[in-house]
This record gives sequence, structure tokens and C-alpha cells, in this order.
Amino acid sequence: EVQLVESGGGLVQPGGSLQLSCAASGFIFSGSAMHWVRQASGKGLEWVGRIKNKANSYATTYAASVKGRFTISRDDSKNTAYLQMNSLKTEDTAVYYCAAATTGFDPWGQGTLVTVSS
Amino acid sequence: QSALTQPPSASGSPGQSVTISCTGTSSDIGGYNYVSWYQQHPGKAPKLMIYEVSKRPSGVPDRFSASKSGNTASLTVSGLQADDEADYYCCSYAGSTHLFGGGTKLTVL
Repeated sequence: EVQLVESGGGLVQPGGSLQLSCAASGFIFSGSAMHWVRQASGKGLEWVGRIKNKANSYATTYAASVKGRFTISRDDSKNTAYLQMNSLKTEDTAVYYCAAATTGFDPWGQGTLVTVSS
Repeated sequence: QSALTQPPSASGSPGQSVTISCTGTSSDIGGYNYVSWYQQHPGKAPKLMIYEVSKRPSGVPDRFSASKSGNTASLTVSGLQADDEADYYCCSYAGSTHLFGGGTKLTVL
């Protein structure tokens, strides 16, 4: 079964850090670019960033709203992608999804909730 | 970069067809054939419905079709069914980044 499972969400204070993980199974993870997408409660989807595969030098790009604060990495030996979030702001509060990208974003994980609040 | 523009809502009766538009610019929709559409039911993760403007993944009914003209992409749902009621999002490659639309809530009357 093709599956992505996010973990690591929780409550963090403004200015704090959190690392999310995205564990993949059922497909060739090492060949896929991996994206992170977030969704604030009651709001639409916002693309956060992506990391390409080894053949593309693990290149990363980010949305302007998170650039310089968030870092995406991956460990192909563990079939896992990561989202390191630093200097968190209240507006970063959202459900964070990871998604594989071959032809469109598919599959998606179930999402993990990040709440930034004092 | 601003989000792509979608109508906030759309509706149709069972069996009817409805079209949802998604407007961008020449830097995103108009510049690349990498428009995708996602269906999201409440509390669920998004599901890929269309990729590369008009291609359907395996398992997506052919009632779902899509196209692009200039800077505007469109998703058409034909033969509306109750389970089609959901939020729909367009997404476009924008030259190393991606942009989503604001989403359209489709109501089946």
C-alpha cells in the first residue's frame, strides 16, 4: 500500500522550533520529489516547499512566507522526509501535509497539526 | 506570488455539470502545462484528481475533466453525484515554486 505518515506536530511557543517527519512506504521514495503543504483551520492549501531526489542534487525551494525559517531534508535510507521549522510564528499554525510528486502531488499523508501559541 | 484565483463556491443538482475556473498569470498557469486539481472532503487529506492540465490518475472517474486556455484552467465535473460535494483546489507550477488556488466549495443541491 502506498502510504505517507507524518509525525512530530504539537504545541510550540512563538519563536520556537519543531521538526516534522514524513515516513513513506509502498513506492520508490528515493525517486520522488517530496513536498510539504499546509492548511490553516478553515483555510485553503498553501505550498510550503519541496526537495528533489538525489539525481537532482536534493535541490530545495521554499515559499516566500517560510524561506529562511524552514528547511526540508530527506534520508532515503529511512524513506523519510523532514521539515525543520524554526522561528515559528502564530501564523504558521496549520495542519502540515507531506506529498510525493511524480505526476501531481500523490500520495498525501494524513497531516499533522502544528499549533504556535503562547 | 499571489494565490491562484478560484470562485469561492459552485453548485449543481445531481446529474448536472459544473465547471470551476482557476485564474493565474503567464508566470504560472500560462507558462507551464503543470496544472493539477485536488478534491478535499472535510477532515481528509486532498486527493489528486487531475495532473498536467487534463490527465486523470488511475481510479478517477471520467466524469472529471479539465483544460487550460491562456492563464485560466478549468475543472468540469459531469453527472454530479452527492459524493462530489467537497472543496476543490487548483495548483500550478510557477517556476521552482508551486501555487494553490484559494479553493472552491462545490455543493450538490
